[in-house]
Amino acid sequence: GENVEQHPSTLSVQEGDSAVIKCTYSDSASNYFPWYKQELGKGPQLIIDIRSNVGEKKDQRIAVTLNKTAKHFSLHITETQPEDSAVYFCAASYDKVIFGPGTSLSVIP
Amino acid sequence: DTGVSQDPRHKITKRGQNVTFRCDPISEHNRLYWYRQTLGQGPEFLTYFQNEAQLEKSRLLSDRFSAERPKGSFSTLEIQRTEQGDSAMYLCASTGGGSTDTQYFGPGTRLTVL
Repeated sequence: GENVEQHPSTLSVQEGDSAVIKCTYSDSASNYFPWYKQELGKGPQLIIDIRSNVGEKKDQRIAVTLNKTAKHFSLHITETQPEDSAVYFCAASYDKVIFGPGTSLSVIP
Repeated sequence: DTGVSQDPRHKITKRGQNVTFRCDPISEHNRLYWYRQTLGQGPEFLTYFQNEAQLEKSRLLSDRFSAERPKGSFSTLEIQRTEQGDSAMYLCASTGGGSTDTQYFGPGTRLTVL
């Protein structure tokens, strides 16, 4: 079945440094790739998404890249802040959304 | 509109009891999804509705689980004869479009089965 892998599972960075999370997906029909941030005790919140006709998208300190040939996509957070600490999920969608297992990001002040 | 809401936020029950959760989607969103999330994992798809029609159910959804969306607005998820393995966060999400449109999640219902 469809599968999304995500690495690393945990990531610790110093405040101000960059963080990169990488995902791969198995279903070549996937054409929508959202990224969610989940804080403790809350539901996932969309932070950025990208569609298959675009290779890169940026929103302030957050950027996503997509390589459809390799079935890879990545999240880049620059100038990290302590409030960026959370669990981040990538996902791939064609007829339904398949989530990765998550990356726990800790930003150390 | 304040987004997707879920009730209750927490539920503790004894094994063998029935529980029911409610989800109120964003107004006019025609698609509603239910997910289950266990510790350290991403949300796993359970089922979804297009208006009042339940269009797909995951194999994760055993016959002890049933979901309804009778008027195409709020939805309920019932678990009968709960088991300890049912302990998880149950998330609801809604979207105004298809599978490639943004899903907005509620805060979830955390179920603990003793």
